[in-house]
Amino acid sequence: GAVVSQHPSRVICKSGTSVKIECRSLDFQATTMFWYRQFPKKSLMLMATSNEGSKATYEQGVEKDKFLINHASLTLSTLTVTSAHPEDSSFYICSAGGGHQPQHFGDGTRLSIL
Amino acid sequence: QQQVKQSPQSLIVQKGGISIINCAYENTAFDYFPWYQQFPGKGPALLIAIRPDVSEKKEGRFTISFNKSAKQFSLHIMDSQPGDSATYFCAASMRGTNAGKSTFGDGTTLTVKP
Repeated sequence: GAVVSQHPSRVICKSGTSVKIECRSLDFQATTMFWYRQFPKKSLMLMATSNEGSKATYEQGVEKDKFLINHASLTLSTLTVTSAHPEDSSFYICSAGGGHQPQHFGDGTRLSIL
Repeated sequence: QQQVKQSPQSLIVQKGGISIINCAYENTAFDYFPWYQQFPGKGPALLIAIRPDVSEKKEGRFTISFNKSAKQFSLHIMDSQPGDSATYFCAASMRGTNAGKSTFGDGTTLTVKP
């Protein structure tokens, strides 16, 4: 079946560091990918829609200069958390698919900013 | 405005019992309704999905019941097992310009006691 790979699974870094998270669709082409943030025991909060070859679409309240998204190919989208601070610590999950097809999720990235 | 409301927030069931989770939606343009299962530290995975042209779909121990007029759908887990203990999310999505963008319920934490 379709698989989405997300890397790294865990990041611990100092405040002020920029962190890049990769999301790859392994056996299908994804013109659209989604980035979510999930707080403990909470639902998935859509941050942005990553569009291959064009700018990402951000949800209201999400800082586009803080969370940089690049979707340079049909199999790779990246999320860069710039100048990360402790309040950016969270579980970030990417997905591909949707509409009349299920979304295929990566296994998430646990980001901890010290 | 929350477009998909999920209940209960948490559920405890004895092994062998039936687990029932309910969702209600508001937007009649939704036409794809998946359920996802998420284990701690992992991304959600598709469990079962339904389209509004049928009222029920069964896959093994998992059944979705769909009531289009009431704008409600539910997940039934028969013969619940401890391995079913996880967080379950209902979701809804549609064709068109927002294709792929899913709206998620807040999640239900299911605990199946041995």
